[in-house]
Amino acid sequence: DTAVSQTPKYLVTQMGNDKSIKCEQNLGHDTMYWYKQDSKKFLKIMFSYNNKELIINETVPNRFSPKSPDKAHLNLHINSLELGDSAVYFCASSQGLTPSEAFFGQGTRLTVV
Amino acid sequence: SQELEQSPQSLIVQEGKNLTINCTSSKTLYGLYWYKQKYGEGLIFLMMLQKGGEEKSHEKITAKLDEKKQQSSLHITASQPSHAGIYLCGAGSGGSNYKLTFGKGTLLTVNP
Repeated sequence: DTAVSQTPKYLVTQMGNDKSIKCEQNLGHDTMYWYKQDSKKFLKIMFSYNNKELIINETVPNRFSPKSPDKAHLNLHINSLELGDSAVYFCASSQGLTPSEAFFGQGTRLTVV
Repeated sequence: SQELEQSPQSLIVQEGKNLTINCTSSKTLYGLYWYKQKYGEGLIFLMMLQKGGEEKSHEKITAKLDEKKQQSSLHITASQPSHAGIYLCGAGSGGSNYKLTFGKGTLLTVNP
């Protein structure tokens, strides 16, 4: 069974559209994250949630809105997509807020045309 | 904010050769993580180091954290094509707003 699963794996959409990426983890972790990996492979945190509560909200445009309906899910909704949003988005989960192994999903490659 | 510098940015080695990737932090590391990423795949956890001077090994990969906890190295012995990918070091921030910050990665190519 996949520990952290993201859907879809690939997403191609036009500028101005609204899209969502879903993430689910079956590890029983209480902390989940969204990371963005740009074209230069640089991986940067966007959000983190602990027990459905927003913990980290890095400098990310308001068009990005995370939603955590329960501890096992953290979805990412993006409004009015722009060309610069094209990237690979990774979801991850870990247990607690102290240093521990974070498990990553396979990533969602978003292409905005 | 925590900054991690990885070197080299890319590395091409012949199969069977040993190699080392370095990760240097601008601040003391509370937790240092090594991940591997293959093209089109997620990040695979390799190792986590927390104590100064700590060293861990898994199969042919060894990671070390220096005593000052500001530098880590990842060493691969007798490299194989399966070792190819992007290696990322990540640092835990500590505190209640814990997060992982990553270096820019090292692209490893292993030629058969």
